[in-house]
Formats: sequence, structure tokens, C-alpha cells
Amino acid sequence: KAGVTQTPRYLIKTRGQQVTLSCSPISGHRSVSWYQQTPGQGLQFLFEYFSETQRNKGNFPGRFSGRQFSNSRSEMNVSTLELGDSALYLCASREPYTDTQYFGPGTRLTVL
Amino acid sequence: GQQLNQSPQSMFIQEGEDVSMNCTSSSIFNTWLWYKQDPGEGPVLLIALYKAGELTSNGRLTAQFGITRKDSFLNISASIPSDVGIYFCAGSPNSGGSNYKLTFGKGTLLTVNP
Repeated sequence: KAGVTQTPRYLIKTRGQQVTLSCSPISGHRSVSWYQQTPGQGLQFLFEYFSETQRNKGNFPGRFSGRQFSNSRSEMNVSTLELGDSALYLCASREPYTDTQYFGPGTRLTVL
Repeated sequence: GQQLNQSPQSMFIQEGEDVSMNCTSSSIFNTWLWYKQDPGEGPVLLIALYKAGELTSNGRLTAQFGITRKDSFLNISASIPSDVGIYFCAGSPNSGGSNYKLTFGKGTLLTVNP
């Protein structure tokens, strides 16, 4: 079974731009969570989607948004990028009926 | 909110040595997970624990779900250079429910000297 995939793997943007990241979960997994990882803050939860609905949300500004499609694929959007948004963005899909998450390889976003 | 204390923050060991790290929670968890992360990559799931007292092995790795439900341990035996990386614990008070959010430890950076 294929793992979680994320595209693109690397991205360079400038301040004020917006960006969309994509995540395909493991087949059969309907829950997708997004995380931001930085050296200073560690892993921070952004939001979780299940069956196209946002079910949980972390403490991030409204510039961070997401959506999930009927095939469970998910996208995350960050608008009006700031330098502090530079981070590794991780997507994880959750095994049904458990709390076990499997992570993708991440998207490294650099904001200049 | 829930807090996870992971220790040690870093370890420097010689190849062949055994390693132990642990996580403690301020509240009861029903799921404990251990991950390893290499630089620039996503965390890879090593071991998942679902019952208090459970002891699970994955090759040279062994993890235990503490009987108090507030702690978990990861041991690596006979370390090798490829064990280098950051090890994270994660826990959840739920078991597959809808109100779900993993709490992560801050990680243990393991360095293995060949």
C-alpha cells in the first residue's frame, strides 16, 4: 500500500504571495491532518479533515486554510505569506478506528 | 492543555550501546506512538501502543505503554549509525474517536558515534 504523498516537496515564495500544498493519504484513510514544523516551535497542529469536513483546528491565523475532496485528498492554502511561515509542512493520514497517524515526506516552504 | 515531556533532549552514544528515552504526560493517554524523523523528511512511525502495560518490539526497538497511562518508554538495543535522527513520542487521550488531536513531545536527538 502506498504511503502518504505530498507535493511539491520544495517551494520558494516571496512575502505576500499565497501557496497551495497537496496531500494524498494512504488508501482507505479518510482523516487527514496538517502540521507545521519549525526548529523553534516543533510540531504544531494546523487542522484535521474528515469526510470533507474540518473537524479540529489548531491555533493558527485565518491565513491558513484547507479543504478535503471526496477522494480524501487534501490541500492546504496559506495566503499573504510572511517570513515566519517558512517551515516544513507535514500531512498525516489516520488509520481508521485508531489514533495512529502516518506522515508524508513534507513540503519545505521557504518564504523570502 | 495536555503536555508531553520527552527526555532526554539529546543523546550522544557509541555504536553498539543501548538507548532509552521516555515521555510523560500530565494526563491519561489511550494511545502512544513513537516516530523517527530524519533531517528534511517526515516522521516515520516506529511503534504504536494501545493498551496500558503493552510491550511491543520492532526489530531492535522496544516500546512500552506505562501502566499509569501517563508515560511511555522507547529502548533501542545495539545502536548503529543509521539510528541517528530525532525520535518523537506522541499521545492521544482518545481511541479512534472524532475529537482527536495528537500531542507531540519535543523530540530526542540521537547521535551515534561509529
